[in-house]
Amino acid sequence: DGGITQSPKYLFRKEGQNVTLSCEQNLNHDAMYWYRQDPGQGLRLIYYSQIVNDFQKGDIAEGYSVSREKKESFPLTVTSAQKNPTAFYLCASMSQGPNNQPQHFGDGTRLSIL
Amino acid sequence: QKEVEQNSGPLSVPEGAIASLNCTYSDRGSQSFFWYRQYSGKSPELIMFIYSNGDKEDGRFTAQLNKASQYVSLLIRDSQPSDSATYLCAVIGTNAGKSTFGDGTTLTVKP
Repeated sequence: DGGITQSPKYLFRKEGQNVTLSCEQNLNHDAMYWYRQDPGQGLRLIYYSQIVNDFQKGDIAEGYSVSREKKESFPLTVTSAQKNPTAFYLCASMSQGPNNQPQHFGDGTRLSIL
Repeated sequence: QKEVEQNSGPLSVPEGAIASLNCTYSDRGSQSFFWYRQYSGKSPELIMFIYSNGDKEDGRFTAQLNKASQYVSLLIRDSQPSDSATYLCAVIGTNAGKSTFGDGTTLTVKP
């Protein structure tokens, strides 16, 4: 089945540690996105990429880093500089063309501090 | 002013009633509008999209768009308890590469 796979489902981070969240898609979508969602809040854009080897900062990029070496993969690293990383992280992808298409979401990763 | 604003909730309606969810946006160049449903602890799922002014119906759901007023709404007819969720409005503006989401409106349908 085509879709977006995020792993792990749950992740715990120790003080001063970098952790990486995986996002893989087999929808052949050009664009991929990372969002953060805090309890009772909407989605805030961290980073997005419209093409391989290129990505842009979203609204809350500080303390995070990404790479886009393959079309299918867009991993997110939560660095030790992100002092409040506890949140629900969502990866999405979108087909780009003459008509704007909706985003498809993975099942998310819940990150907590140990 | 937020780029995308939704009516503050929570919204509670009795089973069988019409639920009305509203969304306004600030970018006049916006072309694409989406409604997502998000159950507690789950990821958002697309339920409606609309590109042109007017109404678009899909089963019990109707999306309404008024670009002059920069307003998009979602009506849910014959509301069911299974409709209880948070509804997110998303807009693709002049930067066609990304969507901007509202904070969501939480709907509770009481049996």
